[in-house]
Amino acid sequence: AQSVSQHNHHVILSEAASLELGCNYSYGGTVNLFWYVQYPGQHLQLLLKYFSGDPLVKGIKGFEAEFIKSKFSFNLRKPSVQWSDTAEYFCAVSSFSGGYNKLIFGAGTRLAVHP
Amino acid sequence: KAGVTQTPRYLIKTRGQQVTLSCSPISGHRSVSWYQQTPGQGLQFLFEYFSETQRNKGNFPGRFSGRQFSNSRSEMNVSTLELGDSALYLCASSLALGTSGGDEQFFGPGTRLTVL
Repeated sequence: AQSVSQHNHHVILSEAASLELGCNYSYGGTVNLFWYVQYPGQHLQLLLKYFSGDPLVKGIKGFEAEFIKSKFSFNLRKPSVQWSDTAEYFCAVSSFSGGYNKLIFGAGTRLAVHP
Repeated sequence: KAGVTQTPRYLIKTRGQQVTLSCSPISGHRSVSWYQQTPGQGLQFLFEYFSETQRNKGNFPGRFSGRQFSNSRSEMNVSTLELGDSALYLCASSLALGTSGGDEQFFGPGTRLTVL
C-alpha cells in the first residue's frame, strides 16, 4: 500500500532561517506529488505540485520542492522563512493505479516561526 | 470563482445518530473527494465521486457512504455514529481531466463533527 512519511512532526525556526521539510513515499509506479499548507484557522491550500517534467518545482510564497525519483523523496524548501509561514504542512501523493484523486497524506509537520 | 463550500460548518451529534454533510464543488469541477482529518490518524481518504458514481474508496466501514448529484454537489452520510467519528470532514473538488495526468484538488473549509 502507498504511504507517505514526513520526517519532522514539529519544527521551530527563527525568521530568515532556511527551511527544509522531508517527505518520502513508498510507491514504485508513476506518482503525482503535492505539498499542501494549512494556516491556523484556514483550509488546506496547495503550495506546489509535481506531475511530470522538471523535478524542481516552484510554488507559491517562495516555496520549492525537488522530486528525487531514486530516493522516493519530495522535500520542501524555502530559503528564508517568515512569521507568516507558521502553519502545518502536508506532503501527499496520488497515482494512476491508486486513483489520481485519492490523495495519501503524510502525518504533517507543524512549523512555528518566531520573529 | 467561488471556492468549495461545505455545510454545515459545525455539528454536534450523539452516539447512534446519523449525520449528512454537504459539499458544493467549484463550478465546472466534476470530481468530489471526501477526507477525514483527526489528530490521531491525520488526513485519510474516504471516497471519490465522479459523474454521480463512486470511483474510489478508502478503508472506512460501510457506515460511511456518499453520493453525488447531477450538478456535482455531493453528500456524505455517516450512520450509527461512534465517538471515534469525531473529526473534521473535508471535501475537495477537481476538474477530473482524465487518467493521463494529475488533478489538483481544491479543499473546502470542512465540517467539524463532534459526537458525544
